[in-house]
Amino acid sequence: DIQMTQSPSSLSASVGDRVTITCRASQTITRYLNWYQHKPGKAPKLLIYAASTLQSGVPSRFSGSGSGTDFTLTISSLQPEDFATYYCQQNYLSLYTFGQGTRLEIK
Amino acid sequence: QVQLQESGPGLVKPSETLSLTCAVSGYSITTAYYWGWIRQSPGMGLEWIGSVYHGGNTNYNPSLRNRLTVSLDPSKNQFSLKLTSVTAADTAVYYCVRDVDSEHFNWFDPWGQGTLVVVSS
Repeated sequence: DIQMTQSPSSLSASVGDRVTITCRASQTITRYLNWYQHKPGKAPKLLIYAASTLQSGVPSRFSGSGSGTDFTLTISSLQPEDFATYYCQQNYLSLYTFGQGTRLEIK
Repeated sequence: QVQLQESGPGLVKPSETLSLTCAVSGYSITTAYYWGWIRQSPGMGLEWIGSVYHGGNTNYNPSLRNRLTVSLDPSKNQFSLKLTSVTAADTAVYYCVRDVDSEHFNWFDPWGQGTLVVVSS
């Protein structure tokens, strides 16, 4: 299995801050990496696929980068609705695996 | 707009079979894509369970393969999950998803709201 490790596990930030979340794969996954946002009691939402492609309808303040084993999700200017848990997920192998999540909280 | 909604018992006894259904609206499940299941155990991360292709082929997590069946019901435009011989470790929120495949990239979109299944006597 490919292990996905996110850092940090939790993060406190303020509205307007620039935030970066990191995801590292245990082996190269080229660009087979997706990012999701999950709010309590709601369906998880796809933000970015193929490492850097923004899903339709997702605000442009979200961006993804990286390739190989190291990836980042950046929120350029935090909005109140962005406080949630974020997960990365690899699809390099058909045994899909997720990171453990990064909980983004209001400072 | 494609929407998915899970349904099924919220409580299952140990050693019995967990059965869930996902109703799909806004898209015919026989047209394209995989349709799958993901779960999240209490305090744990997300675990991909398995998917069924619109043509019927399946792709399962090896750790669950021996107990798992994911299948389509085209007549009702829904798909289902059956997990046999459950234990407390199978207690989780179960999500159904559309598993999109484009040029060998896969992603899950959309997701259902999720349904909690507790395994307990």
